[in-house]
Amino acid sequence: DAKTTQPPSMDCAEGRAANLPCNHSTISGNEYVYWYRQIHSQGPQYIIHGLKNNETNEMASLIITEDRKSSTLILPHATLRDTAVYYCIVRVYGGATNKLIFGTGTLLAVQP
Amino acid sequence: SAVISQKPSRDICQRGTSLTIQCQVDSQVTMMFWYRQQPGQSLTLIATANQGSEATYESGFVIDKFPISRPNLTFSTLTVSNMSPEDSSIYLCSVAWQGMPLFFGQGTRLTVV
Repeated sequence: DAKTTQPPSMDCAEGRAANLPCNHSTISGNEYVYWYRQIHSQGPQYIIHGLKNNETNEMASLIITEDRKSSTLILPHATLRDTAVYYCIVRVYGGATNKLIFGTGTLLAVQP
Repeated sequence: SAVISQKPSRDICQRGTSLTIQCQVDSQVTMMFWYRQQPGQSLTLIATANQGSEATYESGFVIDKFPISRPNLTFSTLTVSNMSPEDSSIYLCSVAWQGMPLFFGQGTRLTVV
């Protein structure tokens, strides 16, 4: 699976959009981009995933660049409860193992 | 999604003893995995729990230390054997269906004294 690079930490004001970047320059054509988050002392929570088109769900939007070498997770109106570590992971969709390898992630601190 | 229950949620154990962690899912799933999260660190995959056969371990993890069982499609156990303080971590069970993203339990917080 391709490696990812994320900033170790970011701040965001409550009510503003949080934009979390991820670089995955060695991503392969059949690898998807997944985002998870982990709120303190809880299990990781799935947020969203995509291949090459932009994706949106009730939690967030995922913007993937045309060359697929980077992506951005957007939380449109961040709240204090969005403070968490956000993990960007790239892997083959489905397949024989379906396992995920976690990097170090970005600690997003939403400020009041 | 699936509802994943882990037991115990936390425990404090004496060094040299063993602890078995249970993971129960409310529906049949294709894949079950066990992760470890050491204090202040990211998640590390321990092994894939295979139904009806031996687990597949990641580099750095061995069956003698972390025996795993998966008797059916809804249940798995992870045992942490002969514990030392370095085993103090959060242990997480996760599940997936073919092609679906992983879902995680709330974890077992283990402290070894």
